[in-house]
Amino acid sequence: SQQGEEDPQALSIQEGENATMNCSYKTSINNLQWYRQNSGRGLVHLILIRSNEREKHSGRLRVTLDTSKKSSSLLITASRAADTASYFCATALYNTDKLIFGTGTRLQVFP
Amino acid sequence: NAGVTQTPKFQVLKTGQSMTLQCAQDMNHNSMYWYRQDPGMGLRLIYYSASEGTTDKGEVPNGYNVSRLNKREFSLRLESAAPSQTSVYFCASSEASQGALYEQYFGPGTRLTVT
Repeated sequence: SQQGEEDPQALSIQEGENATMNCSYKTSINNLQWYRQNSGRGLVHLILIRSNEREKHSGRLRVTLDTSKKSSSLLITASRAADTASYFCATALYNTDKLIFGTGTRLQVFP
Repeated sequence: NAGVTQTPKFQVLKTGQSMTLQCAQDMNHNSMYWYRQDPGMGLRLIYYSASEGTTDKGEVPNGYNVSRLNKREFSLRLESAAPSQTSVYFCASSEASQGALYEQYFGPGTRLTVT
C-alpha cells in the first residue's frame, strides 16, 4: 500500500483563492518532499521539509509537517491558472535511500 | 545543461518483445532512479542506484533489469514485455549517494504501451 496519501484527490478553485492539500503517511521519515507534475510532463521538485522542521516557505508555497500526526500540508496562496497541475507528496523513509510517492492531488485553477 | 534525458519518448511493444529504456544526466549526480507511473497512482520505484556500480531493488522490480553503465547513464531493460508493464516510465537523479535525503530531478518520461 502507498506510504503517502494525499487528500483531496481533486480540487477546483478560482484564481486568487488559496489551495490546501494534505498528505498522510505511515512510518517514520527522514524528510517529506512535495512535487508538481504538469500534464504529460516529468515531476518538478517544489519543497523539502526535514523531520525536525515544522514549517517551511518558498514564494507562494507554505508547507507544514506534524510528525506526531504523520501528516503534512501544502498551501498555495493566491493561486494562478498556471498552478493547474497534479501535486505529489513523497516521503524519504528513515534509514533508506527510497522516496515513496503518494497518489497525488489534481488541482484545477479557473481564470 | 540538459538535466535528465530519456529515450525514447514513446514506444509500442508486442507481448514478449524486449527493449531498453535509456536515461542520462549531466549534473554529476551520484544517485539515479527508475519509476513507473500508472493512472490514478503515484510513482512506484522500480530500481535505483546509489552510486556507480551499485543497484538495488525498489517496490516493483519484477520483470525489469537495470544497468548503471557509468555515473551519467542508468538503463532499464524489459526482457519479455507484458501488458501489465504498460505505463509511463520516469528516470530521476539526485546529488548525494543517499538520494532520498535530497531533491530528485526527473526526466520527461517514456510512454510505453505493450499490446
